[in-house]
Amino acid sequence: NAGVMQNPRHLVRRRGQEARLRCSPMKGHSHVYWYRQLPEEGLKFMVYLQKENIIDESGMPKERFSAEFPKEGPSILRIQQVVRGDSAAYFCASSLEGSYNEQFFGPGTRLTVL
Amino acid sequence: QKEVEQNSGPLSVPEGAIASLNCTYSDRGSQSFFWYRQYSGKSPELIMFIYSNGDKEDGRFTAQLNKASQYVSLLIRDSQPSDSATYLCAPSGGNSGYALNFGKGTSLLVTP
Repeated sequence: NAGVMQNPRHLVRRRGQEARLRCSPMKGHSHVYWYRQLPEEGLKFMVYLQKENIIDESGMPKERFSAEFPKEGPSILRIQQVVRGDSAAYFCASSLEGSYNEQFFGPGTRLTVL
Repeated sequence: QKEVEQNSGPLSVPEGAIASLNCTYSDRGSQSFFWYRQYSGKSPELIMFIYSNGDKEDGRFTAQLNKASQYVSLLIRDSQPSDSATYLCAPSGGNSGYALNFGKGTSLLVTP
C-alpha cells in the first residue's frame, strides 16, 4: 500500500508568485489534513477536508491561502502571492473515515520563498 | 498557558535505559492522544495512540494517560540510538475538533 504522497518535495518561489502543493491520501482514506511547520516551531493545523468539502479551516490564514480536495485527483493547498514568511514545511496527513482519527503523514513539501 | 506543553529537552539517556517523555494539555475536552516521532528533516511518524485512562503497551513503548491530571506520557524501554528523535505529543478532539494539536516536542538523545 502506498502511503501518503506529496509533491513537489521541494519548491522554490520568488515573492509574489503562487505555490501549489499537492497531496494524495493513502489508499482508502477520504480525510485529508494540512499542517505547517515553521522553522524551529511546532506543527500547526491548517485545514481539514473531505472529498469536495472543507470541514474545518480554522487554522488557515485569512488571506492568500486556500485548499481543495476535488472528487477526482489530489488535494491542493494553494498559496497566492507568497512572502518570505511562508517558507516552511507543509505536511499533509490522511485518515480513514470512521477511524479514531489516526492520521498518517506524507513526506512534506519544503517551500522556500526567495 | 500553552495548550500542549512538553519539555523541549534534550533528554539524554544511555542505551538500554528507559526514556520517559511527558506532556500536559489544557483542553479538558480532548479525547484522543497521539505520540509521533519525527527525525530531523523528516515527517512525523505515528508511534502510539491512547483514548482511555491507564496504560497502553506496544512493544517497547508504553503510553500512559491521566485525564483528571491532563497528563499523558510515553515510556520507551531498552532505548536504542535509533530512538534519538523529537517526540511530539498531540491531543485531539475537544476545541481542536479533528485536528491534532501538537506540542513543540521533546528531543531525545540515546547515547551508546
